[in-house]
Amino acid sequence: SFELIQPPSVSVSPGQTASITCSGEKLENKYACWFQQKPGQSPVLVIYQDTRRPSGIPERFSASNSGNTATLTISGTQAMDEADYYCQSWDISTAVFGGGTRLTVL
Amino acid sequence: EVQLLESGGGLVQPGGSLRLSCVGTGFTFKNHAMTWVRQAPGKGLEWVSGISGNGIGTYFADSMKGRFTMSRDNSKNTVFLHMSSLRAEDTATYYCAKTSWGSGWANGDPFDRWGQGTLVTVSS
Repeated sequence: SFELIQPPSVSVSPGQTASITCSGEKLENKYACWFQQKPGQSPVLVIYQDTRRPSGIPERFSASNSGNTATLTISGTQAMDEADYYCQSWDISTAVFGGGTRLTVL
Repeated sequence: EVQLLESGGGLVQPGGSLRLSCVGTGFTFKNHAMTWVRQAPGKGLEWVSGISGNGIGTYFADSMKGRFTMSRDNSKNTVFLHMSSLRAEDTATYYCAKTSWGSGWANGDPFDRWGQGTLVTVSS
């Protein structure tokens, strides 16, 4: 079955660039989304259709999807960006989530 | 403003049943497919099910097929998740979310708004 693999954790210093990867077979042929979830809160969509940002999401959030890997990039990371991040894609009519990555801003 | 409000969670014994509800406001409800996603305590997100805007098409994760069903009442702006034969591993916060593009259950349609979730605990 289709799986999405994310690193369990990523650390970044404030102001630096954070990159979170999401790997899945032939992922570039599917749409990828990214969700941010802060403790005690519901997930928030931060990227859809591989690279698009919903209104209200800061420009420092960007993403790409090539080959077997989608990547979420946060430029100029801020303390408020510390959260769990989940990628999500599709296997025909089934939605699939990655295991999530905890981003720590040190 | 789009709002989604889940209800119906609680404590249920193993083997029991429960029906979750989600009311959506601030958007044309019938024009959007809807979905349920769950999160076990301290764990990641797991997709559960989806339903088209007219309620005809329903879709489920393999582990839920045969135990869970999903329906909607567009006259009440409500989607339902009917859960049966519940197991301890079904313990989770269940979120409903709306899709962005439209009424069909479409590969790639993003889940753009989420409710606050309702907690289901399966325990004796």
